[in-house]
Amino acid sequence: GQQLNQSPQSMFIQEGEDVSMNCTSSSIFNTWLWYKQDPGEGPVLLIALYKAGELTSNGRLTAQFGITRKDSFLNISASIPSDVGIYFCAGQLEDTDKLIFGTGTRLQVFP
Amino acid sequence: DVKVTQSSRYLVKRTGEKVFLECVQDMDHENMFWYRQDPGLGLRLIYFSYDVKMKEKGDIPEGYSVSREKKERFSLILESASTNQTSMYLCASSFQGGSIEQFFGPGTRLTVL
Repeated sequence: GQQLNQSPQSMFIQEGEDVSMNCTSSSIFNTWLWYKQDPGEGPVLLIALYKAGELTSNGRLTAQFGITRKDSFLNISASIPSDVGIYFCAGQLEDTDKLIFGTGTRLQVFP
Repeated sequence: DVKVTQSSRYLVKRTGEKVFLECVQDMDHENMFWYRQDPGLGLRLIYFSYDVKMKEKGDIPEGYSVSREKKERFSLILESASTNQTSMYLCASSFQGGSIEQFFGPGTRLTVL
């Protein structure tokens, strides 16, 4: 099936640092979603992007829909311990209503 | 507040048992989905449903079946559980014809011995 390449696979950072992660594909997407999953819980929607070039913020989180429509980026500024978890991107393929998920970025924040 | 609930958080079953995983949403969503989540493989779609009594195969339907008798409830059935079905199972729901955003339940961690 279709693949979304999400990187990095994991990150170990110090509290206060900024974080960047991205998802890329060879396919074109209509929508990008970013989710966070806490240990032992289901994913929670953080940000939704609907238009190429769109930049959307949710508190310290900012996500961008890539101009080529083949990628998306998530930034977290001034990380705190509760940012720990797995971050997933999900993209809606052009001309379908199917969501494809990335394999996740595991974030660890050390005090 | 939107809510998707799953009947069990943790389940331990034996090989060959029939297993039912239940999912209920209170958002009046038309669409419901079952995924399994395994380390390094991300979320993989097992089955989905766009309406009551309707079901469609996802990417990995083998060994599973589903039932949707009511709009708010979507059940995943493992007819004869096997050890390779040990996984985290996630249910999600979304509106039809509008936003693609899916809302997830807390997950059921199933172990098959």
